[in-house]
Amino acid sequence: NAGVTQTPKFRILKIGQSMTLQCTQDMNHNYMYWYRQDPGMGLKLIYYSVGAGITDKGEVPNGYNVSRSTTEDFPLRLELAAPSQTSVYFCASSPGTGDEKLFFGSGTQLSVL
Amino acid sequence: AQKITQTQPGMFVQEKEAVTLDCTYDTSDPSYGLFWYKQPSSGEMIFLIYQGSYDQQNATEGRYSLNFQKARKSANLVISASQLGDSAMYFCAMREGIRTIFGAGTRLFVKA
Repeated sequence: NAGVTQTPKFRILKIGQSMTLQCTQDMNHNYMYWYRQDPGMGLKLIYYSVGAGITDKGEVPNGYNVSRSTTEDFPLRLELAAPSQTSVYFCASSPGTGDEKLFFGSGTQLSVL
Repeated sequence: AQKITQTQPGMFVQEKEAVTLDCTYDTSDPSYGLFWYKQPSSGEMIFLIYQGSYDQQNATEGRYSLNFQKARKSANLVISASQLGDSAMYFCAMREGIRTIFGAGTRLFVKA
């Protein structure tokens, strides 16, 4: 199984550009999450979803948007990139059935210059 | 509001010795889950151990054990017989409802 797949792995953006970070999972998990990890820090929750069509804000949602049109996909959109969004972004999923261990993707390293 | 506190930014341990990484949490929800994840220098997040708030016994997974003290709201990770490969960042996390939040992490250095 592929698990949680994130693309791209690395990206450099100019200030004001937009991009979408892709995340897909093949485990039929209901719950999906986006986190960001600044250098030397812990993970901060950006957005999460409990199923197709349902999303909600996490701890640090400003500057981001998400959608969940299918169970498998949970893309994260940056509309106007700012240097403060330079970070490593992790997508994660969990079954939504009890013991909610997170299954993580390998991360996207984003630099905004 | 949920909160996870890891007070040790960095820890050193001699190979083959045990080490305890501290974690305290704050929640008003009686049902929650506590996790530890390892992040090696390669960057991936690796699940280590889980403790449910209603679990009576401390969780164990191989060389990892979770010292759960509910009244003190602490969930310390104990790694026995440290190995060089244990050098990494370690994150304590708490699930309350749907959301999981993370502490700032502790960087563990294992000395040969």
